[in-house]
Amino acid sequence: AQSVTQLGSHVSVSEGALVLLRCNYSSSVPPYLFWYVQYPNQGLQLLLKYTSAATLVKGINGFEAEFKKSETSFHLTKPSAHMSDAAEYFCAVSTGANSKLTFGKGITLSVRP
Amino acid sequence: EAGVTQFPSHSVIEKGQTVTLRCDPISGHDNLYWYRRVMGKEIKFLLHFVKESKQDESGMPNNRFLAERTGGTYSTLKVQPAELEDSGVYFCASTNTAGVVGELFFGEGSRLTVL
Repeated sequence: AQSVTQLGSHVSVSEGALVLLRCNYSSSVPPYLFWYVQYPNQGLQLLLKYTSAATLVKGINGFEAEFKKSETSFHLTKPSAHMSDAAEYFCAVSTGANSKLTFGKGITLSVRP
Repeated sequence: EAGVTQFPSHSVIEKGQTVTLRCDPISGHDNLYWYRRVMGKEIKFLLHFVKESKQDESGMPNNRFLAERTGGTYSTLKVQPAELEDSGVYFCASTNTAGVVGELFFGEGSRLTVL
């Protein structure tokens, strides 16, 4: 069984500030980990993924995440927030290719001018 | 290339009525998934088709939900009879078996409101 914990439901940052969205997971087997983003009125879009290669993964739009097995974490970061980053972000885990995703509750990111 | 399309985008029905949601995956994608998000909660897996076969339907809540994918193309999810707790956003996603691990392509979702 697997699960994902995303603490909090909303994060607000100033434009240009660091973005840090936390994700902790639980999995009985080596996990595949993902961050998806949902912009208003759109479907979910893959931001980045970890599939047992490099522990620091880079995604689209300047986001990156680091897999830390010892901490069972996969936190998402971006050095400098942009207004266009305002969206809902979901962390997810799966056990393999084409396997079902288990999502966290999601966290809404707001960016202040 | 057209993305995953879902219809209707929003449906409002009375308790006890029937609703059918439709999903058209990206052409050529063998894998089709249904997920649901109840307000304030996480997105939860409902089921997974590989072509026309149900690979995993462990997330289907009960027998009021029926999913089909005849011919391995589009899929429908029927709720009959609908209950209040069925309200939420139903997402469809697809991927190619040979594609990138975990890169599901999602539709915009069908919002179901049961009154």
